[in-house]
Amino acid sequence: EVQLVESGGGLVQPGGSLRLSCEASGFTFNNYAMNWVRQAPGKGLQWVSTISDNGGVTFYADSVKGRFTMSRDNSQNTVYLQMKNLRVDDTAVYYCAKALWRTAQGAFDIWGQGTMVTVSS
Amino acid sequence: DIQLTQSPSFLSASVGDRVTITCRASQGISSYLAWYQQKPGKAPNLLIYVTSTLQSGVPSRFSGSGSGTEFTLTISSLQPDDFATYYCQQLSTYPHTFGQGTTLDSK
Repeated sequence: EVQLVESGGGLVQPGGSLRLSCEASGFTFNNYAMNWVRQAPGKGLQWVSTISDNGGVTFYADSVKGRFTMSRDNSQNTVYLQMKNLRVDDTAVYYCAKALWRTAQGAFDIWGQGTMVTVSS
Repeated sequence: DIQLTQSPSFLSASVGDRVTITCRASQGISSYLAWYQQKPGKAPNLLIYVTSTLQSGVPSRFSGSGSGTEFTLTISSLQPDDFATYYCQQLSTYPHTFGQGTTLDSK
């Protein structure tokens, strides 16, 4: 079964850090780009970051650039999102999503269940 | 950045209705547009990619069309399971923006 399982969410104070993980199974992980998408409570979807299949290229939304770092370990079938200097408006459910193709241009065909990040004092 | 504007933002319809949702891009995105369905508390589910290709397992009552800057998602005959929020997403250039969403509820 193709599956993505996120972990690492929780409550953190403004200015704090958190690392999210997303473990993949059921497909050849290193053949696909991977993505993070977030959704603030009651709001729409926001693309956050994409990493290429080999981890050599990353893209970020302007709102997280310089604060978030996406990486992957193809030997562990896992992608990460290191989040630093967190702000209240980073509060959201964070979803990990698999790219449909090797590049991220097709669509996001498999999504994890999401992990909640709450930034509050 | 490319902005995507969905219309309408809210739509009330009945089972059996034909429903159309529009997604307009602020600049051309070729055919790199996807549609997702999301139900409360759940992750999004891919319906259509590259404008009109139906994702495996998605009912054929869903269809997509368009080009350039204007795209549509059509549900030919609304079923009870289709009441949800729908999002378009462009994957032509980064950032891979989403539309604001269209909530489809029962009339």
